Amino acid sequence: DTAVSQTPKYLVTQMGNDKSIKCEQNLGHDTMYWYKQDSKKFLKIMFSYNNKELIINETVPNRFSPKSPDKAHLNLHINSLELGDSAVYFCASATGFVYEQYFGPGTRLTVT
Amino acid sequence: GQQLNQSPQSMFIQEGEDVSMNCTSSSIFNTWLWYKQEPGEGPVLLIALYKAGELTSNGRLTAQFGITRKDSFLNISASIPSDVGIYFCAGIIQGAQKLVFGQGTRLTINP
Repeated sequence: DTAVSQTPKYLVTQMGNDKSIKCEQNLGHDTMYWYKQDSKKFLKIMFSYNNKELIINETVPNRFSPKSPDKAHLNLHINSLELGDSAVYFCASATGFVYEQYFGPGTRLTVT
Repeated sequence: GQQLNQSPQSMFIQEGEDVSMNCTSSSIFNTWLWYKQEPGEGPVLLIALYKAGELTSNGRLTAQFGITRKDSFLNISASIPSDVGIYFCAGIIQGAQKLVFGQGTRLTINP
């Protein structure tokens, strides 16, 4: 009965590879987000989708492409992974744009 | 760039002590949220504030939305070991549609 779930929990890969992270929420929310948390624990928004429509794109490199097949799912695909992409990526969801956001457990991405 | 200043960055206290942390900004906020993050987990929402001057409690936690709408504080009374973690303030700037986060306050409790 997990509210916001992400897979995988851990992802270790080499530079140059392409990888995807999946997110699903069963809260009935219509807005979903991707955040990046760096090694200093700073959380920064990357993308926001509302009802499958891209709302926020925070100057993230084009190598990152979110995809929302339906409003309960928001996946993140990363091309040509770089060392600097190593971080914890969190998915979150909310009702509407400006309300309480609920976070998933995170995916720790390590690029070697 | 960073729009929220959260302090202190870390706290080392004894079990039973009260804790206070705050966030300030030069921008006006419509919403303030306080989250707690434990190792290996995502941030968990503790308290949400929507009106200037609002004071809200959640058990031993109390948070307030500053009158100027540029700050918020979180107090934890009678701390216990399970309060350990990183506490984040987050806010929605007036006219914006995204959360900005503070740098976090890492709370460590000595039993």
